[in-house]
Amino acid sequence: KAGVTQTPRYLIKTRGQQVTLSCSPISGHRSVSWYQQTPGQGLQFLFEYFSETQRNKGNFPGRFSGRQFSNSRSEMNVSTLELGDSALYLCASSKVGGLTDTQYFGPGTRLTVL
Amino acid sequence: AQKVTQAQTEISVVEKEDVTLDCVYETRDTTYYLFWYKQPPSGELVFLIRRNSFDEQNEISGRYSWNFQKSTSSFNFTITASQVVDSAVYFCALSEGTSGTYKYIFGTGTRLKVLA
Repeated sequence: KAGVTQTPRYLIKTRGQQVTLSCSPISGHRSVSWYQQTPGQGLQFLFEYFSETQRNKGNFPGRFSGRQFSNSRSEMNVSTLELGDSALYLCASSKVGGLTDTQYFGPGTRLTVL
Repeated sequence: AQKVTQAQTEISVVEKEDVTLDCVYETRDTTYYLFWYKQPPSGELVFLIRRNSFDEQNEISGRYSWNFQKSTSSFNFTITASQVVDSAVYFCALSEGTSGTYKYIFGTGTRLKVLA
């Protein structure tokens, strides 16, 4: 069974640009969550999508947005990039998400903002 | 407030030693779930175990074992006879709330270095 895949794996952008990251969940999983991992803040929850709807959201500015498609694939967009957005962005999928479900993570996209 | 504390930032052991990674959590909920994940240098978090708040039974899986104690709000992870391949960052996580507004909170991680 294929795991969670994320593209691209590495990305370099400059301040002010925008970026779109993609996540393909495990087959049959309908929930996709996004996390930001930085040395200073650790792993922080961004948002969760289930059946094309954002179901849960962390404490990030509106520059961070996402969406989910009917095949459960998800994209995350960051507009007007700032230096502090440099991070490893991890996507996790689970069957139905929520409190009780186990999340399986992808390898991440490492974003560097110059 | 919900919180997961992994006080050990980095641990170094020699191969074949046993090592315990500590995890202390705070929550007001009576129903919650605890997790351990391993993050090797490749970056991908690997799921190790999930435990719900009503199940305090300890668990053993090969060289791995987990000790869940609600009385001390701890969920510690022990690796027996450590191997170099165990070198990674280990995260403890807590999920709590309702299915609609749950939170998934990670500790800051413990970097384990197993030396040959």
